[in-house]
Amino acid sequence: QSALTQPASVSGSPGQSITISCTGSSSDVGSYNLVSWYQQHPGKAPKLIIYEGTKRPSGVSNRFSGSKSGNTASLTISGLQAEDEAAYYCSSFARSTIPFGGGTKLTVL
Amino acid sequence: EVQLLEFGGGLVQPGGSLRLSCVASGFTFSSYAVNWVRQAPGKGLEWVSAISGSGANTFYADSVKGRFTISRDNSKNTLYLQMNSLRGEDTAVYYCAKDRGAAAAGYGMDVWGQGTTVTVS
Repeated sequence: QSALTQPASVSGSPGQSITISCTGSSSDVGSYNLVSWYQQHPGKAPKLIIYEGTKRPSGVSNRFSGSKSGNTASLTISGLQAEDEAAYYCSSFARSTIPFGGGTKLTVL
Repeated sequence: EVQLLEFGGGLVQPGGSLRLSCVASGFTFSSYAVNWVRQAPGKGLEWVSAISGSGANTFYADSVKGRFTISRDNSKNTLYLQMNSLRGEDTAVYYCAKDRGAAAAGYGMDVWGQGTTVTVS
């Protein structure tokens, strides 16, 4: 049960766009359109921001978007805002398990 | 309001046991799979276990297989995690999380509890 691979950190200035990658394998990310992304602020529970690779739950800003190419999924945040500073995690359906990525700390400069 | 509330965390010695509970409200509990996800201090999220809406199918991470048991009582809108043979590396905040799927989990966890802390020491 291998975890998915994310960069440890990314940063950007307000108004800019950033992309966080999430690399898995043909057993998880590559085989299913079921990648989810979560945002977690310090001391808080995670919040679902993308599901089924590209869909946003009601109430989530359209500044958040998801995509996938092969075994790698990506989360793009456009028009960065100070409140976007948080940890971001990907996860994927993988038949009998649900691996998470190690998390990416986003710093808004 | 859709809500999950976890109970049962605490301090336990290595080798000991603990049972976590998660009470759901505001949605049809039996229609959705539910997960347990943990987060060790200063670390990332780790999926632990999942159970289908009916309770017929259960899934475990390799790290807890054979030691933890997930179950649910749909008549009480409650999810459980029985944790046996606890180790130091099980120390974490444990979250229950509603899945968007029914028969299986992994479709996106759209409702999370506030978490309950388990310390093995």
